[in-house]
Amino acid sequence: GDSVTQMEGPVTLSEEAFLTINCTYTATGYPSLFWYVQYPGEGLQLLLKATKADDKGSNKGFEATYRKETTSFHLETGSVQVSDSAVYFCALSDGRGYQKVTFGTGTKLQVIP
Amino acid sequence: NAGVTQTPKFQVLKTGQSMTLQCAQDMNHEYMSWYRQDPGMGLRLIHYSVGAGITDQGEVPNGYNVSRSTTEDFPLRLLSAAPSQTSVYFCASRTGTGENTIYFGEGSWLTVV
Repeated sequence: GDSVTQMEGPVTLSEEAFLTINCTYTATGYPSLFWYVQYPGEGLQLLLKATKADDKGSNKGFEATYRKETTSFHLETGSVQVSDSAVYFCALSDGRGYQKVTFGTGTKLQVIP
Repeated sequence: NAGVTQTPKFQVLKTGQSMTLQCAQDMNHEYMSWYRQDPGMGLRLIHYSVGAGITDQGEVPNGYNVSRSTTEDFPLRLLSAAPSQTSVYFCASRTGTGENTIYFGEGSWLTVV
């Protein structure tokens, strides 16, 4: 079945550092890919998404490119802020029927001033 | 715009008790689902519904029941609570066509003692 693998955390960075959170996937067909963010005590909210190969999703200074050849969707930002401290989830939607969504295990990011 | 609303936010149950987690959405979404979030395991799908009167099992349905009598509401029932059901529960919804972004509630923290 479909699966999503994320780099394990927690990741601790200083403010303004460069961030990459790796995400790779296994899926049949043509999935859509997502990054969701969960701030402390809250539900998940969509950060960005890409629906086909080579698409780049971007939002709030974060970006990720759908790489079909490497089955990856790595999240990057050039300068993290303390307010970016959260748990980040990579996910895919299988594009078939109900479009089941499969989540990675999440990567906790802590940004220190 | 309320989005997805879950109640209660916090609950402590004794082993063997039953309870219902409420979920309502005001976006006229066809698809609704319940996830549980456990450390190191990401989000796992419990049950889902593709429309009023239609429900189906996800990855971890045992010990839970759902019903979907209206488009707006999708309650999750714990039949006889067990310590293994201590978790954070998220209700989610999305439209059934095209746009596949999932909208999450803020979560329900459940402890079974």
